[in-house]
Amino acid sequence: DQQVKQNSPSLSVQEGRISILNCDYTNSMFDYFLWYKKYPAEGPTFLISISSIKDKNEDGRFTVFLNKSAKHLSLHIVPSQPGDSAVYFCAASVNNNAGNMLTFGGGTRLMVKP
Amino acid sequence: DAGITQSPRYKITETGRQVTLMCHQTWSHSYMFWYRQDLGHGLRLIYYSAAADITDKGEVPDGYVVSRSKTENFPLTLESATRSQTSVYFCASSVRRGQDTQYFGPGTRLTVL
Repeated sequence: DQQVKQNSPSLSVQEGRISILNCDYTNSMFDYFLWYKKYPAEGPTFLISISSIKDKNEDGRFTVFLNKSAKHLSLHIVPSQPGDSAVYFCAASVNNNAGNMLTFGGGTRLMVKP
Repeated sequence: DAGITQSPRYKITETGRQVTLMCHQTWSHSYMFWYRQDLGHGLRLIYYSAAADITDKGEVPDGYVVSRSKTENFPLTLESATRSQTSVYFCASSVRRGQDTQYFGPGTRLTVL
């Protein structure tokens, strides 16, 4: 049973428009959430994170929103650029003595068209 | 500034053979991780290590063995490769326990025939 789900395997957006990537989770113990970006033939790279004590975190064109009651987070990219085309993974963790184990979603492939 | 490296980048092997994937990091990070990436599953944790000589199982450890005799190296061994182990393998590291960013290597694409 996947604890972190990205229900949209792909998303296509026009350059300059907003990209919204969604992620749902089932484990209410998750208290830290991250988004990673992955280009082909490269490892994932950290993009942005949010703690459960917040409902929004912003970094330039990237904003992550967290709705704890709905167990849902989303990543907004505004404006979208062709270089944003990549696979995006959301991940979640529980801050416990087991270390920072991340549980990943299945990923969403974003395609930004010029 | 090498960061975290993996070798080989590509490997083709046959069922039943032993294969070792290497991971090396230059940051002296305490934590290291091995993930596999499969379509529809995202990244799944195989094994992790909190420090040299300390390792523990992740979500999908069966068929894999790890060791960590030095802080900077974390090899992953498939003792008897199976076709279901065809995947892309990523190594990652992080500074400390807690909600720390993990830094990933470039990955090894393994094909088991």
